[in-house]
Amino acid sequence: KQEVTQIPAALSVPEGENLVLNCSFTDSAIYNLQWFRQDPGKGLTSLLLIQSSQREQTSGRLNASLDKSSGRSTLYIAASQPGDSATYLCAVGANTGNQFYFGTGTSLTVIP
Amino acid sequence: DTGVSQNPRHKITKRGQNVTFRCDPISEHNRLYWYRQTLGQGPEFLTYFQNEAQLEKSRLLSDRFSAERPKGSFSTLEIQRTEQGDSAMYLCASSQSGFLYEQYFGPGTRLTVT
Repeated sequence: KQEVTQIPAALSVPEGENLVLNCSFTDSAIYNLQWFRQDPGKGLTSLLLIQSSQREQTSGRLNASLDKSSGRSTLYIAASQPGDSATYLCAVGANTGNQFYFGTGTSLTVIP
Repeated sequence: DTGVSQNPRHKITKRGQNVTFRCDPISEHNRLYWYRQTLGQGPEFLTYFQNEAQLEKSRLLSDRFSAERPKGSFSTLEIQRTEQGDSAMYLCASSQSGFLYEQYFGPGTRLTVT
């Protein structure tokens, strides 16, 4: 079974700092990988989707990379803002796309 | 397109009662997923539909849980004889077929079993 780990579990940074969130997975036979943010008590908002054949995706201040062979993905957030405070989750799609496995998330606090 | 909607948003029930949740996916999405999320954890996959066919079920989905997606549109998740351990956020997501397409999540239904 695919195991997904996110490190660190929590992160606190001052506003304006660049930061990296990590996601690792045990089975490299993946369908795709998606990063989400979740605000307290809310559903998930999609941030970036990386197909299994891609190495990275960018959207605004966010950049996600994927290294399938080493079982790792990173989410880079540039010039962090207090509004970025949320829990960030990565989800790995099984090879058939029928199941997705989530990490436990990284809780980010950006201090004004 | 109003996104994925879920009803009710909150449900409080007594142990032993049956509950049913509804998910309305984005209209052109043929894939629909149900997840369960407990506090401090990531969502756990429960089941997946391609159109009206239920193609995958997690071992987490005990006999007390059943899901349907009649006519490949909205979906319902029913929990029979609820237990306190069923208390969680139940999330629904939808997507188009293929690895190019993102999952879009609804706001969730928070279930509390007393």
